[in-house]
Amino acid sequence: EDKVVQSPLSLVVHEGDTVTLNCSYEVTNFRSLLWYKQEKKAPTFLFMLTSSGIEKKSGRLSSILDKKELSSILNITATQTGDSAIYLCAADRGSTLGRLYFGRGTQLTVWP
Amino acid sequence: GAVVSQHPSWVICKSGTSVKIECRSLDFQATTMFWYRQFPKQSLMLMATSNEGSKATYEQGVEKDKFLINHASLTLSTLTVTSAHPEDSSFYICSAFRDRGGYNSPLHFGNGTRLTVT
Repeated sequence: EDKVVQSPLSLVVHEGDTVTLNCSYEVTNFRSLLWYKQEKKAPTFLFMLTSSGIEKKSGRLSSILDKKELSSILNITATQTGDSAIYLCAADRGSTLGRLYFGRGTQLTVWP
Repeated sequence: GAVVSQHPSWVICKSGTSVKIECRSLDFQATTMFWYRQFPKQSLMLMATSNEGSKATYEQGVEKDKFLINHASLTLSTLTVTSAHPEDSSFYICSAFRDRGGYNSPLHFGNGTRLTVT
């Protein structure tokens, strides 16, 4: 059975802190690992990771995939209140591109 | 800006009625779209893959006769929840590739539809 597990489920920090969100996966026919940010409605795309060990960066956010350990991390430095959201990790798998299997997400709350 | 549009944003219906939700790709063609469902405090669960011009592919445990999917054009997929019951109340969200798919194209999501069945 396919699994995507995120930890922690919930995290509360103060502005300026650095956070690391974890995602582990066990899926058949793994293609890529994706990170999304979900505030109120639609998840917005953050990163897609296909190669192990190559860090992707976007501003204060960065992410890396470890295919040996079947895991990924999402780092957010100098957190801001606007970073408060649910961060979703998903594995793209199977013969059809786009059949994502999501984890339950990490609820991040950043206090001023 | 948004690349996938979903309508309506929210809908309340009575038990036993049917509800149609539309998902449109904006300024691009999408031969494949995906429908997800999200219950409160739960993750997004893939329901089905919508294929333009052919039958949808449903995930295990999803009733195809209850959740009718039609993908009649390259920019529109519809999900009809038939004979809705309170347990169908959920957040339904669609997604599509902006480009023609391919290894480096992420999925973009619509804003979702909050369905409440009374």
